[in-house]
This record gives sequence, structure tokens and C-alpha cells, in this order.
Amino acid sequence: QSALTQPASVSGSPGQSITISCTGTSSDVGGYKFVSWYQQHPGKAPKLMIYDVSNRPSGVSNRFSGSKSGNTASLSISGLQAEDEADYYCTSYTSSNTYVFGTGTKVTVL
Amino acid sequence: EVQLVESGGGLVQPGGSLRLSCAASGFTFSSYWMSWVRQAPGKGLEWVANIKQDGSAKYYVDSVKGRFTISRDNAKNSLYLQMNSLRAEDTAVYYCARVGGAARLDYWGQGTLVTVSS
Repeated sequence: QSALTQPASVSGSPGQSITISCTGTSSDVGGYKFVSWYQQHPGKAPKLMIYDVSNRPSGVSNRFSGSKSGNTASLSISGLQAEDEADYYCTSYTSSNTYVFGTGTKVTVL
Repeated sequence: EVQLVESGGGLVQPGGSLRLSCAASGFTFSSYWMSWVRQAPGKGLEWVANIKQDGSAKYYVDSVKGRFTISRDNAKNSLYLQMNSLRAEDTAVYYCARVGGAARLDYWGQGTLVTVSS
């Protein structure tokens, strides 16, 4: 049950687009379409942003999108805004009927 | 409105026990899997445990197997986490979350802090 691998930090200027990767194995990310992404602001509970690789819950901006290729999932944020500055975590269902989170990525808006 | 409210956190000595509770409202609690997720101070999220709607299936992260027990009382709309043999590395904010689908934690509580220290 090793954590999925994410870059520690990603940054971009307002209006730009960024992408966060999430790398696992064939026993988790690569084996299922059940990858989700969460946004967490300091001192707050996480918020679901993407589920089932590429679906957005109601109320989440369409500036957020998800995709997957092989053992790596990705979260893209377009038109970066100051409010997007937060920590982002991926998670995947695993072959052991458990969940595993990514290591987390701090997004900085320059 | 979906609400999840955790309680029961606090300071406990290494080797001690603590029981966390999560009160659910605003949805049909008995229709959903539920999860516990924790976050150590300054660290990332870690999934801890899941429980099926009727409590017949439970899954745990390896690091808590044999020490933690997830349970639920559908009549009381409540989720629980019994934590025994606590270690310093169990110090974290513990969140309960509703499972809207596989790996889809669609609603979260505000969290309760557990500190394991002598």
C-alpha cells in the first residue's frame, strides 16, 4: 500500500494552465477507472474535485479536468486563479479493495 | 444538507485507546459505505478504513490492522473508529467521509484531532 507519487509542488501565473500527475501501478491507478482528486485549503477538510478519472461533481468549475494514461492519472487546471492555491491529492481504488492517496501537490499561484 | 460531525478526539498516552464517533445527517446513512481518513500534522492524507452499508465488510490500511476497528450504527446514523494500542505515529486529524462511489469521498466532516503522547 505505497502512496501514489505526485510532484511536491507545481506553480503557475494567473490565467495559465497547470497539470498535476499521479503515478501508481497496475494494481491501483492502472487497473481501474476509480481515480479521484481532492483540493484542500489550509485548515480545511478536503473537497472532491474529480471522480472516476474525469467526472466533475456538481458545482466544481469546468476549469478542472482529469485524465488517465496507463498507470498515471492527471489533474489539469486551466485559467489558474488565486483561489486555486491549495494542496491537491489523488486517490485510487486498489486490487485489495482499499484506497490509496497520493503524496500531495502544493499548487502556488504566482 | 449532508453533514458529518466527528467527535471523541483528544490526548492519549501511547498504548492507550480512544473511540471516535461521526454523526451523519442529511442523507440516508444506511445506503452508503463510509470511510475514515487521517492526516498527520503537516503531512498528507492517508485512508484508514472503509465499512459497507450493513457493516458486513470492512477494510483497513495495513498500519492499523489488528489495532483499529471501524463500525457503524445505522439506527443512530453514526460511524465509529475504535483505536487501541495507539502509537505516536497515529497522531493526526481524523476525518469521516461518505463514500459516493469507489474512491469517491464526496462529503467530509471537519475532523477531530487525536494526539498520542506521554
